[in-house]
Amino acid sequence: QQQVKQSPQSLIVQKGGISIINCAYENTAFDYFPWYQQFPGKGPALLIAIRPDVSEKKEGRFTISFNKSAKQFSLHIMDSQPGDSATYFCAASNSDYKLSFGAGTTVTVRA
Amino acid sequence: NAGVMQNPRHLVRRRGQEARLRCSPMKGHSHVYWYRQLPEEGLKFMVYLQKENIIDESGMPKERFSAEFPKEGPSILRIQQVVRGDSAAYFCASSPSLAGTGGETQYFGPGTRLLVL
Repeated sequence: QQQVKQSPQSLIVQKGGISIINCAYENTAFDYFPWYQQFPGKGPALLIAIRPDVSEKKEGRFTISFNKSAKQFSLHIMDSQPGDSATYFCAASNSDYKLSFGAGTTVTVRA
Repeated sequence: NAGVMQNPRHLVRRRGQEARLRCSPMKGHSHVYWYRQLPEEGLKFMVYLQKENIIDESGMPKERFSAEFPKEGPSILRIQQVVRGDSAAYFCASSPSLAGTGGETQYFGPGTRLLVL
């Protein structure tokens, strides 16, 4: 069964706009929530991660929002740029190496 | 420092054949993790290996699949007697020490796309 559900499957945003990707999880034991960015032909690369003791984490134009009671977390890409066009995966783990990934969101930023 | 390397990048096999996927971790990394991505799904953990040891194979199918990480050379994921349901992207990741919440990040390779005809 899919432990982490991600939506939307794809999105298109204009340059300068905000991209929002949502993820929901079932396992309340998860305590580490990373986001990965993947460009065509490359492997997923860690973008930003959050733990459930904080509700928000920001790194540059990327922000994770975390809602523990709703078991949801989201990635916001502010001022989206064409170079942000990629596939984004949310993931979760229970303090170990076994990452459970969402199905991915393909983001296209139009110039 | 070269990243994680996987080959082949694309592999086509007929049903019943064997598939061998290779993963060379980043230099200095001794921990290797394999994931499988089925169409329209996220990556799923398969196995965690250290040099000459299988540490956790809880995500591996019980039959036909095996993995190794020898003292010398790349890690190998081997699929015997492939079936169409094995068609997927297989990703390898590596880390210099144990990955986890308080530990190292996993660095992923570009993946091998396996197609079984």
